[in-house]
Amino acid sequence: RKEVEQDPGPFNVPEGATVAFNCTYSNSASQSFFWYRQDCRKEPKLLMSVYSSGNEDGRFTAQLNRASQYISLLIRDSKLSDSATYLCVVNNASRNAGNNRKLIWGLGTSLAVNP
Amino acid sequence: GAVVSQHPSWVICKSGTSVKIECRSLDFQATTMFWYRQFPKQSLMLMATSNEGSKATYEQGVEKDKFLINHASLTLSTLTVTSAHPEDSSFYICSATRQGAVYEQYFGPGTRLTVT
Repeated sequence: RKEVEQDPGPFNVPEGATVAFNCTYSNSASQSFFWYRQDCRKEPKLLMSVYSSGNEDGRFTAQLNRASQYISLLIRDSKLSDSATYLCVVNNASRNAGNNRKLIWGLGTSLAVNP
Repeated sequence: GAVVSQHPSWVICKSGTSVKIECRSLDFQATTMFWYRQFPKQSLMLMATSNEGSKATYEQGVEKDKFLINHASLTLSTLTVTSAHPEDSSFYICSATRQGAVYEQYFGPGTRLTVT
C-alpha cells in the first residue's frame, strides 16, 4: 500500500461546481496533514493545513478522519484559477525527531475547471 | 515572509559536467532544508534533508557522492549534481523550515535541469 494515496484524476468540472478530493495515508501515527497546490512546472504552494476538527478557508474545506486515515479537500464555487494539481501531504511519523520533519507526498489529483 | 529563492531557475549542461544549485531563505533562518526531485507527471521525491552545519541525510537510493549537499549557513544550502547524465534531467526543488515550525515547508521556485 502506498504511504499516501490519491485519485490522480483528472477531474474536469465546470466553473461554479463543488469538487471533493480524497486522500488516504498508511501510517496511523502521522500527526500533521496538509494540502498543497502545484501549478504546471511550478513549485508546490501550501494551500492549507488539516486540523483534527476540520477547517475552512474561504471556499476550501479540509477534513481529517483519523479512524479511517483519510483526508479530504472540498472546493466550493470552483474558479478557473483553481485548475492545478492538489497534493495530499502527511508527515513521516517516526521516533527519530529529525525524520519527523520528513513529508510524504501523494501523487496529486489533477483538477481542470472549465468555463 | 518566508521567501525561498533558487538559482539558477533553469540550466542546460553537457553530460559529464557538474551543476551547482543554490537555495536561499531570504527573510528567515532555515534550520533545515530539503532537496526534492520531480520527474514529469510524478510526485515530489525527497532526495535529502540538510541541517545547517552537519552532514545531509540522504534518502534510500540517492547517491551522496553524486548529489553533494552543503548547508554552510542558516540561509544557504547548495546541491551539486556531479558528472551529470541525461537521466539526471529533472525539476529540482528545495524547501526550508523555520526554527520551531517543524512541518511547514516553504518552497523555492525550482530549478529545471536538462542534461544533453
